[in-house]
Amino acid sequence: GQQLNQSPQSMFIQEGEDVSMNCTSSSIFNTWLWYKQDPGEGPVLLIALYKAGELTSNGRLTAQFGITRKDSFLNISASIPSDVGIYFCAGTYSGGGADGLTFGKGTHLIIQP
Amino acid sequence: NAGVTQTPKFRVLKTGQSMTLLCAQDMNHEYMYWYRQDPGMGLRLIHYSVGEGTTAKGEVPDGYNVSRLKKQNFLLGLESAAPSQTSVYFCASSYGRGPSYEQYFGPGTRLTVT
Repeated sequence: GQQLNQSPQSMFIQEGEDVSMNCTSSSIFNTWLWYKQDPGEGPVLLIALYKAGELTSNGRLTAQFGITRKDSFLNISASIPSDVGIYFCAGTYSGGGADGLTFGKGTHLIIQP
Repeated sequence: NAGVTQTPKFRVLKTGQSMTLLCAQDMNHEYMYWYRQDPGMGLRLIHYSVGEGTTAKGEVPDGYNVSRLKKQNFLLGLESAAPSQTSVYFCASSYGRGPSYEQYFGPGTRLTVT
């Protein structure tokens, strides 16, 4: 199946720093979603993007649907301790046989004291 | 409004045993999904359903069966568990496709097969 390349795999940052992560694909995606997963919990939807070029914010989070439709990024401004977790990009692509989402492997965000 | 719930939260099986995982949603969603999550692999789709009485295969369907007898419930069955099925299983639901594609996840079931 289609793969999403998510980077970085992990990030070690100081509280208050800004964070940036991205997802790329070799195929055109129709939808990009960003999820956060806390330990022992299911993923929680943060932001959904449906149009190329779309830029959407949710509090300190901002995500964009790349113009080429092959990438997306997520930025977190002024990180706080509760931002710790795993962030997943996910999406649907043209020609995808199933109706489920294709997920990246996640970015582990760790905030150092 | 409980959203998506999963039963049980934890389970240990011996190789060859069978079990059924239950997913329930109270959002009147048409679509329901079962994913498995393994370390370093992200989430992978096992089976999904686009409505009551329908099911379809996802990316990794082998060794699993599903049923959607009621709109609000989606069952995942393992007929003969294998150690390779040790994983965390997540159920999700959504209204449908297009602008309503956002999926909402349950808390997960951690399954260990020895």
